Amino acid sequence: AQSVTQPDIHITVSEGASLELRCNYSYGATPYLFWYVQSPGQGLQLLLKYFSGDTLVQGIKGFEAEFKRSQSSFNLRKPSVHWSDAAEYFCAVGFDGSSNTGKLIFGQGTTLQVKP
Amino acid sequence: EAQVTQNPRYLITVTGKKLTVTCSQNMNHEYMSWYRQDPGLGLRQIYYSMNVEVTDKGDVPEGYKVSRKEKRNFPLILESPSPNQTSLYFCASRETGTSGGARTDTQYFGPGTRLTVL
Repeated sequence: AQSVTQPDIHITVSEGASLELRCNYSYGATPYLFWYVQSPGQGLQLLLKYFSGDTLVQGIKGFEAEFKRSQSSFNLRKPSVHWSDAAEYFCAVGFDGSSNTGKLIFGQGTTLQVKP
Repeated sequence: EAQVTQNPRYLITVTGKKLTVTCSQNMNHEYMSWYRQDPGLGLRQIYYSMNVEVTDKGDVPEGYKVSRKEKRNFPLILESPSPNQTSLYFCASRETGTSGGARTDTQYFGPGTRLTVL
């Protein structure tokens, strides 16, 4: 069965430090990959997405993610974290093909805390 | 502005009292869906709709109903809510197509409805 794992439930980084949030998926073919961010009391905002092509994708708010097929990973990175980045981050996977129901499978989420 | 709206944003109710959470999108998308978010579980799909009058179950449909009478609206109905349906609910609208020759498939989420069933 398809699944998405975010190994880190909670991460704390200092403001200005770099950030990497991990995401691993289990699926037999190349999926569509997404990162969403949920700020406190807010809905889900799409940060970036990967469908095909260049495996390093750029998103909003200075985030980027790299698709590594050999590792079934799609880790999210940011070189310098700002206090406003404190939020919960979700990795999600979608699938193409004849059985595509449009469902996204989400990881459990990673809560990012930013220290001043 | 392209958006997905949900109402109400917050709701406290009691067991067994029927309720409806509305969802509307202004992007003319054919596909819409509902998810629930629970701590440690991420988001799980409840129901989805490929188009008007076409709906199907997601992973956690028990206790929920939906209808899709028009393209822009996709209400979620809880006929007899129970405490285990206390959750944060998200409606999503899906855009598919091609961009620069490549296929795209992106879902946009509403602001969420926090439901508490006592």
